Amino acid sequence: AAGVIQSPRHLIKEKRETATLKCYPIPRHDTVYWYQQGPGQDPQFLISFYEKMQSDKGSIPDRFSAQQFSDYHSELNMSSLELGDSALYFCASRTSGYNEQFFGPGTRLTVL
Amino acid sequence: AQTVTQSQPEMSVQEAETVTLSCTYDTSESDYYLFWYKQPPSRQMILVIRQEAYKQQNATENRFSVNFQKAAKSFSLKISDSQLGDAAMYFCAYRSGTSGSRLTFGEGTQLTVNP
Repeated sequence: AAGVIQSPRHLIKEKRETATLKCYPIPRHDTVYWYQQGPGQDPQFLISFYEKMQSDKGSIPDRFSAQQFSDYHSELNMSSLELGDSALYFCASRTSGYNEQFFGPGTRLTVL
Repeated sequence: AQTVTQSQPEMSVQEAETVTLSCTYDTSESDYYLFWYKQPPSRQMILVIRQEAYKQQNATENRFSVNFQKAAKSFSLKISDSQLGDAAMYFCAYRSGTSGSRLTFGEGTQLTVNP
């Protein structure tokens, strides 16, 4: 069965650089979520999209933006990177009427 | 805002034994969903079991079962016949049934399975 795809799997950036993380949800899933998991922490909700519209917003810094495209894939854009942005970023997808969110393998971002 | 608390940062169990992981949550809602996710060293988030708040019957998935106490706002996970592959970080998570579908996670419990 198809799973959520995230790319890249690993990313190393310098402070003040920008990064773009991509997420390809499971086919026919209409909702995409982004979570950030810092070292030794639980995942924190950042933002979600339903049918290409932002549906919910969590603790996402103003330096971050995200969108969902017509093919349902989503991108998380991160600018002016800080050391504290180093984390594992998960994308998850879900189909309406079904409770489970399916998680991708995550993108590990390291900011030096 | 909803909060989820896991008071056991670490737990250990002998292989083939049973272990229970605790989770409590705080909410004023009556419609919600609860989940247990497993995160092995690969860091992949894997759904273990889910419970709808409107269901009185405790969910069961093979060796995994929950004890859902709605009045006490408690949602514990029982793992029977523990296996080495059960070793992982376990997160309890809450999802509102009415206001958005984001997951709110607890701090996690690191489970060690001893051979």
